Order: sequence, then structure tokens, then C-alpha cells
Amino acid sequence: GAGVSQSPSNKVTEKGKDVELRCDPISGHTALYWYRQSLGQGLEFLIYFQGNSAPDKSGLPSDRFSAERTGGSVSTLTIQRTQQEDSAVYLCASIRGAGGTGELFFGEGSRLTVL
Amino acid sequence: DAKTTQPTSMDCAEGRAANLPCNHSTISGNEYVYWYRQIHSQGPQYIIHGLKNNETNEMASLIITEDRKSSTLILPHATLRDTAVYYCIVRVAPNSGYALNFGKGTSLLVTP
Repeated sequence: GAGVSQSPSNKVTEKGKDVELRCDPISGHTALYWYRQSLGQGLEFLIYFQGNSAPDKSGLPSDRFSAERTGGSVSTLTIQRTQQEDSAVYLCASIRGAGGTGELFFGEGSRLTVL
Repeated sequence: DAKTTQPTSMDCAEGRAANLPCNHSTISGNEYVYWYRQIHSQGPQYIIHGLKNNETNEMASLIITEDRKSSTLILPHATLRDTAVYYCIVRVAPNSGYALNFGKGTSLLVTP
């Protein structure tokens, strides 16, 4: 597609379950970001992937959170043993990289509700 | 990357110009100023960016002070659909080599 695609758009889960959130960046974009946005809050940086370099995981809030990017394209954010405080909208964004304008293209987000 | 400071909220009457300020006093010489906005329940959307010259596009104008320590995003004729949270960030472009941190932005309310 033309834009960043995220799935699922909505996910309701029970406390203690694992969840996976998927991001399909724009084709050819070399960098990918995950952010979290809790209700009424700003965007909280989670993790950043750039090409084949080691990801910047400095924003991950705990070891229950992990992410991978396969083949330099699709990324999956995994939250293990979910807690109620994990409820938020998880946003993915990609950047073209070299030759681009530096503009971040965001997906519509995955809304996670932990009961 | 440099931190930014924005007012928490602003109001603007429909049809008037909305002027949203941003302070970035620690900006480096190679850092650009970017503006994004987030309409309720949607992902953030790019508006405009600049280095030191003023910029204009179909959405907005960006005025950067000569010392580059602050900038103003101008929506020349605000409409109700411009009600959103506006984020100002600074970063090196197009290098995407590090985490980008968004603050809480300015919540703009356009009133009839």
C-alpha cells in the first residue's frame, strides 16, 4: 500500500496474555520507529530500527517488550504477560532515509486494551 | 537532539490565523525544525519543516527566528478541522540515526 499499515487496529486482551502488533512500513523506507501513546499523553518513543544496524531499544519500558524487523521491512512489537498499564495506542512510523526529507510517516496505530 | 518547549494549549477563532510557538534554544547548527499534528484518534501527520529560512506550503508557514532558538507555525486561516495537537521537534535531516522524541505538544482548539 501507499502508507504505513498497522494491524490489528484494535486488540482487547486479558491481563497476563501475550500480544503481537504488526507494522508494514512504506516500501523502500530504511528506518522504522515504534511509539506508545497512552490516553491524553504525548508520544513515547519505544524502539528504532535503521537498516541492518542494531536497533535502539532505549525506550522499551521493560523486558516484557520486544520488537523485531524481518528482512528490513515488516516489524512486530511483542508484549509478554500484558499488564493493564500497557493499554495504549501503539504507533509505527517509517522514514525513507538517505535522499529523503526526514519526514516521518505514521500508521493509524494499534489500540491495545488490557482487561 | 535538542528539546523543545511548547504551550500546553491554545484557542483560535475560525478564520483567524493560528500562531503556534516553539522554543528550541539548544538547537544545533545541523538540526531542522519539524512540525507534526495529530487529529484525534489518528496517527500524527507531517506539516512542514525548515532549517533557517522561513518556509511555506499548502498547509502552513514556518517562521524561524534569526538565532534559530524559536519558531512559529502559522495556520493562516484556521478551520474547525485544524483542531488537533501540534508537535514541534528538532532533528538532523535526512539522517534518521537516532530516537526521535515528541513532547506533549500544543492542543489547539479552533472555535466557531
